[in-house]
Amino acid sequence: EPEVTQTPSHQVTQMGQEVILRCVPISNHLYFYWYRQILGQKVEFLVSFYNNEISEKSEIFDDQFSVERPDGSNFTLKIRSTKLEDSAMYFCASIQGAHQPQHFGDGTRLSIL
Amino acid sequence: AQSVTQLDSQVPVFEEAPVELRCNYSSSVSVYLFWYVQYPNQGLQLLLKYLSGSTLVKGINGFEAEFNKSQTSFHLRKPSVHISDTAEYFCAVSARNTGFQKLVFGTGTRLLVSP
Repeated sequence: EPEVTQTPSHQVTQMGQEVILRCVPISNHLYFYWYRQILGQKVEFLVSFYNNEISEKSEIFDDQFSVERPDGSNFTLKIRSTKLEDSAMYFCASIQGAHQPQHFGDGTRLSIL
Repeated sequence: AQSVTQLDSQVPVFEEAPVELRCNYSSSVSVYLFWYVQYPNQGLQLLLKYLSGSTLVKGINGFEAEFNKSQTSFHLRKPSVHISDTAEYFCAVSARNTGFQKLVFGTGTRLLVSP
């Protein structure tokens, strides 16, 4: 079964540095999402993306965050200047079309030092 | 806006016993309902979904859930659990309107199955 793949599995970064998390959604999927899960807390929505633009974003997704689909396969989340509180597991998800369940990747664990 | 409540943060159970993980939701619009499972150090795997039709839905690994609109609940059940079912279980909802809406998750229930 096709999968959503995320790289790297674990990223360690110094506070204030930029980080890019990468996702390869399932190939015929059209809608993409980023979520995060701070350790011990629930999964929270960050942003959704369709047709090369943001569809919806949460209050968490401030000016430090951006998303991009640079080519036909990758979907990236960039954090410009990381803070300690950005430490979390970041999940990418995608759906093929309307009214379908989201498929998640295994996540990237981001640790900010 | 939607919200999801999973009242039980942890449910300990013996192997081969039945289990029910509770989920209640709140929404001003019609919703889709999902259960996801997260094994240690892994991503979220879809267990089952309610989109429409029969209110009793069956998923993978022998799990099932029943949508109860009047009680705004979507409890997850399994008649006989295995050690391998030990994991975190998340209930989630999304608004039906466009079909592409974000998922809103509950806080999760850790199922601990012991021999």
